[in-house]
Amino acid sequence: GAVVSQHPSRVICKSGTSVKIECRSLDFQATTMFWYRQFPKQSLMLMATSNEGSKATYEQGVEKDKFLINHASLTLSTLTVTSAHPEDSSFYICSARTAGGSYEQYFGPGTRLTVT
Amino acid sequence: AQTVTQSQPEMSVQEAETVTLSCTYDTSESDYYLFWYKQPPSRQMILVIRQEAYKQQNATENRFSVNFQKAAKSFSLKISDSQLGDAAMYFCAYGGEYGNKLVFGAGTILRVKS
Repeated sequence: GAVVSQHPSRVICKSGTSVKIECRSLDFQATTMFWYRQFPKQSLMLMATSNEGSKATYEQGVEKDKFLINHASLTLSTLTVTSAHPEDSSFYICSARTAGGSYEQYFGPGTRLTVT
Repeated sequence: AQTVTQSQPEMSVQEAETVTLSCTYDTSESDYYLFWYKQPPSRQMILVIRQEAYKQQNATENRFSVNFQKAAKSFSLKISDSQLGDAAMYFCAYGGEYGNKLVFGAGTILRVKS
């Protein structure tokens, strides 16, 4: 149980375009989802926290207008990278938590974004 | 702000032997969660073990155990009877009072020699 999927797994887009990444909890309801960014050979850095039905909370230094997060249902959160530039190229990972109970976060397999 | 430090960029262990990965953290909170995650080449993050700060007993999961020293703010991971499948990047993470907003250390690459 507790499976989180991400789509797409890899995406290449041209500079200036926007790309959407989906994060789905497949067998549980996720009241909270998190978005992380991981540069090559580096650690994960939290970008934002999203709660179902409310606005996302962004970490300091993360541009909310560039990284649009929507958590419209208890099983889906989306991250849209707007007007992408080569420096946005990275590995994006989402995680999801259930309401109450265990405080474990279940991670998705990640999405590799390459902006050309 | 909380910080997590992993001072060992790389570690090697012989198959079937024991290895300890170090982690220290800084926080002003009294109740919090600590985690060790494994990230194999597939990049999928896998929870290895979790420790709740209010519990004095060290967490154990099969071959994995921690040495949690709250006063020293130290949280090391011991892997016993190392297996080839243990080779991965290991991240120590601080999760705050509710396990939210994970702060990760820089990671330690573990290599297992056969």
